[in-house]
Amino acid sequence: DAGITQSPRYKITETGRQVTLMCHQTWSHSYMFWYRQDLGHGLRLIYYSAAADITDKGEVPDGYVVSRSKTENFPLTLESATRSQTSVYFCASSELQGPDRRGGYTFGSGTRLTVV
Amino acid sequence: QKEVEQNSGPLSVPEGAIASLNCTYSDRGSQSFFWYRQYSGKSPELIMSIYSNGDKEDGRFTAQLNKASQYVSLLIRDSQPSDSATYLCAPEGGSQGNLIFGKGTKLSVKP
Repeated sequence: DAGITQSPRYKITETGRQVTLMCHQTWSHSYMFWYRQDLGHGLRLIYYSAAADITDKGEVPDGYVVSRSKTENFPLTLESATRSQTSVYFCASSELQGPDRRGGYTFGSGTRLTVV
Repeated sequence: QKEVEQNSGPLSVPEGAIASLNCTYSDRGSQSFFWYRQYSGKSPELIMSIYSNGDKEDGRFTAQLNKASQYVSLLIRDSQPSDSATYLCAPEGGSQGNLIFGKGTKLSVKP
């Protein structure tokens, strides 16, 4: 199916464990993003990528690692999970960026991560 | 730090009324503006985009932009209970052109 898919939908992990959240899009969009959403903070950008092998930090990158070896995949890894990383994580994609963009981001369904 | 301000609400309107959602932004360089709707437990969904000063209408939704005042708004006419959701304002911001999201306004439409 075309679109942007995230997995898993729900994840419970223990403090200190490594966990990877997956994001896959079928549109061949150049730009992909990871956001976390928390009550009182709204959506905050963790990392983004302009193309395969090009990634950059967002507003809250500490404790996270990303990679993008293929255009369609953009996994997010929590190297050593902490309770403060309990959140809902959204992946998004976009064809263009900057003032030439005509169209916003399309979001995946999200992953609800709980760190205990 | 570029900022996007929205009233958190909840904004409560009766069914059939006009709901008015407001947003101010700090980045004078922003050129593209988006409104997203997010139902509880769901992901944000793009509902409107606007790029030029003035009004843009799409069905029951009207987006209004005033770049000089750094203000963007969303009007929902003939509000329905199904419009009850959180509405996120997202101007483009910064040299990278990333979208910056406001914290959202929660709208409740009462039957």
